[in-house]
Amino acid sequence: DAKTTQPTSMDCAEGRAANLPCNHSTISGNEYVYWYRQIHSQGPQYIIHGLKNNETNEMASLIITEDRKSSTLILPHATLRDTAVYYCIVSGGYQKVTFGTGTKLQVIP
Amino acid sequence: DGGITQSPKYLFRKEGQNVTLSCEQNLNHDAMYWYRQDPGQGLRLIYYSQIVNDFQKGDIAEGYSVSREKKESFPLTVTSAQKNPTAFYLCASSTTSGPLAEQYFGPGTRLTVT
Repeated sequence: DAKTTQPTSMDCAEGRAANLPCNHSTISGNEYVYWYRQIHSQGPQYIIHGLKNNETNEMASLIITEDRKSSTLILPHATLRDTAVYYCIVSGGYQKVTFGTGTKLQVIP
Repeated sequence: DGGITQSPKYLFRKEGQNVTLSCEQNLNHDAMYWYRQDPGQGLRLIYYSQIVNDFQKGDIAEGYSVSREKKESFPLTVTSAQKNPTAFYLCASSTTSGPLAEQYFGPGTRLTVT
C-alpha cells in the first residue's frame, strides 16, 4: 500500500469547516483513499473513501486531486465532538491496511 | 444491532501469564484483524484472517497467537513471550469482496501487565 503524509495536528474553530490534507504521491491506479477517525480511547470509525472522484456523505466530503497524489477531508461544520485523530489511508485491498499516526484535530469553542 | 464486541474493556495481568482477548462480530464479515496501539502512536497490525481456519501474520506478530475456528470469533492470545504487552488492543472486521477496505472496529481492550 502507498504511504501517506499528514500534518501532526490542526486546530479548527467550532462551526467552521475543517480541511484535513493528506499526501499520497505514490498511490497506484487501483488504490482507494480511505479516511477514519479515532476519538480518544475508542476504536477507529470509518468516515469516507474514494478512488478518483470527489465523494460526499453525511459525515464529510472527500476531495481528491486530479493526479490523485493528494486529498482533503472536509468536515463542513466542525463540532466539539469532531475532536479526534484522523487517519488517511491508501489501500488496494482488504488484506492489510496501514494506519499511520494521523492528524490530531482539535475543535476549539 | 450488528457490530463487534471486545471483552473485557480493561484487563490486568501479572508478567509471565498468557492472556486471551475476546473478539466477536455479527456482521457476517469474512475478514478479521487485530491491531495494537501504544500511546500517541498509530495502529499496528498483529494478525489478520481472511477466512475460517486461516490467518496471516501482520507486522508485529511475535509473542501473539490467534485462532479462527468460527467466522464470528477471532480471539487473540498475548503470550509471555511478548516483551511489552501493555497496550490498547483493537479488533476489526471487513468484507473481502472487491477492493474495499472499510473496516469496522470494536471498542478495544486495554491490557496492563505488571
